[in-house]
Amino acid sequence: DQQVKQNSPSLSVQEGRISILNCDYTNSMFDYFLWYKKYPAEGPTFLISISSIKDKNEDGRFTVFLNKSAKHLSLHIVPSQPGDSAVYFCAASIFKAAGNKLTFGGGTRVLVKP
Amino acid sequence: DGGITQSPKYLFRKEGQNVTLSCEQNLNHDAMYWYRQDPGQGLRLIYYSQIVNDFQKGDIAEGYSVSREKKESFPLTVTSAQKNPTAFYLCASSLRGSDTEAFFGQGTRLTVV
Repeated sequence: DQQVKQNSPSLSVQEGRISILNCDYTNSMFDYFLWYKKYPAEGPTFLISISSIKDKNEDGRFTVFLNKSAKHLSLHIVPSQPGDSAVYFCAASIFKAAGNKLTFGGGTRVLVKP
Repeated sequence: DGGITQSPKYLFRKEGQNVTLSCEQNLNHDAMYWYRQDPGQGLRLIYYSQIVNDFQKGDIAEGYSVSREKKESFPLTVTSAQKNPTAFYLCASSLRGSDTEAFFGQGTRLTVV
């Protein structure tokens, strides 16, 4: 039972345009959501997060939107840059139940074309 | 420099042997985690520990064991009971508390030959 899903395995976007990555979850108990970026053979690096009490969080070129009623979050990257080419994972946690244990989606591979 | 270190980066093991992956952090984090990544897939939780001398099974703990004798260290043993041990293993740590992210090590690629 996959509780966090990223239905688009890959995304290709032109440099300078917007990248939109989507993530759906099934467990309504999740209260904290994160996005990680990962290059091959390296550990994921944290990008941005959002608490369930908010619906938007922005950090530079990265914005995360949370729609609790739809159990959906998205990551917007604008403008996209070639260095953004990587695999992006969304993750969720239920803090009260298990601290910061994260459940990950399957990832979306982003390719930014110059 | 504070961080989380995994060693070795590449590891080869003969079938039927146990092998231990090292994970050390100097971030003063209470919580530590082990994840496994298979090609084209997301990260799956093997074990996690919220505090010294305590750890919990994750989603795919069978064939693995851990210990948490020190705050800084959370070694993972891949036993011969693990049927498909070839994978990329990632260790992470975090503060205990809401609204905190986990920091990951660079990973260990284990190959069973």
